[in-house]
Amino acid sequence: GAVVSQHPSWVICKSGTSVKIECRSLDFQATTMFWYRQFPKQSLMLMATSNEGSKATYEQGVEKDKFLINHASLTLSTLTVTSAHPEDSSFYICSARGRSMLYGYTFGSGTRLTVV
Amino acid sequence: AQTVTQSQPEMSVQEAETVTLSCTYDTSESNYYLFWYKQPPSRQMILVIRQEAYKQQNATENRFSVNFQKAAKSFSLKISDSQLGDTAMYFCAFMAAYSGAGSYQLTFGKGTKLSVIP
Repeated sequence: GAVVSQHPSWVICKSGTSVKIECRSLDFQATTMFWYRQFPKQSLMLMATSNEGSKATYEQGVEKDKFLINHASLTLSTLTVTSAHPEDSSFYICSARGRSMLYGYTFGSGTRLTVV
Repeated sequence: AQTVTQSQPEMSVQEAETVTLSCTYDTSESNYYLFWYKQPPSRQMILVIRQEAYKQQNATENRFSVNFQKAAKSFSLKISDSQLGDTAMYFCAFMAAYSGAGSYQLTFGKGTKLSVIP
């Protein structure tokens, strides 16, 4: 089945530094990648949608300069949290959609970011 | 815009029993997909079952089945013979099947925390 590999699974960084999270589709071409943020005991909040080769579309209220998304190939999308602050600490999840809706969406395993 | 409502924040069920999780949605779209996702303590999102709106027959996947009532905009999940491994957060999700701005985005409900009691 379709697999999305997300790395790192957890990261601790100092305030003011940047962190990059990668999502790779291992056995299919991901035409669209979605990035979510999930707070404890809450649902997934869509941050942005990226299509291969084009700029990401950010949801209202999400700072595009803080959360940089790159989707340079059909198998790789990255989310970079720039100048991270403690309030950026959260669980980030990517999801990929292939060319066929047969299996819907495949989610990465998530990244727990802690900014100290 | 679409909305998905899960009115049961938490539920519990005895092992081997049956439990039903409710989900309602609101949309003006005629063609769409509905999903149930499971998020166990590992936090990996796992697809449980999927339903295409144009199909009248309710989807089933082993112990999991749905009751899809299109007119009522209801999409409940029934778990039969509950197992300890079913303990998880369950999210109902909607996706409009059209191409355009915001296309193919999943809209999630707030989730239902299911605990299976031995």
